Amino acid sequence: GEDVEQSLFLSVREGDSSVINCTYTDSSSTYLYWYKQEPGAGLQLLTYIFSNMDMKQDQRLTVLLNKKDKHLSLRIADTQTGDSAIYFCAEIQVSGNTPLVFGKGTRLSVIA
Amino acid sequence: NAGVTQTPKFRILKIGQSMTLQCTQDMNHNYMYWYRQDPGMGLKLIYYSVGAGITDKGEVPNGYNVSRSTTEDFPLRLELAAPSQTSVYFCASSDPGGRSKYEQYFGPGTRLTVT
Repeated sequence: GEDVEQSLFLSVREGDSSVINCTYTDSSSTYLYWYKQEPGAGLQLLTYIFSNMDMKQDQRLTVLLNKKDKHLSLRIADTQTGDSAIYFCAEIQVSGNTPLVFGKGTRLSVIA
Repeated sequence: NAGVTQTPKFRILKIGQSMTLQCTQDMNHNYMYWYRQDPGMGLKLIYYSVGAGITDKGEVPNGYNVSRSTTEDFPLRLELAAPSQTSVYFCASSDPGGRSKYEQYFGPGTRLTVT
């Protein structure tokens, strides 16, 4: 079955870059997502990438995909205190009707 | 659009009581989901639905029931509440034909405590 793994914690200083990593299982046709959860709130989609892409950039966010190693990363440039949150990696295979599979989330703490 | 709304925001139940968590979306999404999130843990899928009249079990369905009589509503029923059901419950919806394909839109959550 599908599985998505993430490290649980990351701490960075304000202004530095943050890199959150994720590994996933399978597939030749997969969509991968990064969600952000702020304290006491639901999840919001940050960005996504299709498995036929290597990189996607969206303002301060850069997503890198290494298909060979099934490794996904989210880089946040110039990290701000407002970026403190839990970041979830999620995967879905296009071939089936299975729902998204989420990782356990990485808690990012930004130190001023 | 209000998006995905959930009620109540908070609830305390006694062991053995029952309740229904309400979820409504106004985006005309066919797919809807219920997750629970335990402290320090990720999301676990309880039930999901790919359209009105169709529901499927997720990873942790025991102790819960759902129904999907309309596209908009997807209530989650807890029968005989147990302390192990203390959690934050999130409802979500998605439109597989949308711009970001399977992006899920989440409600704000219901924080449930069973004592």
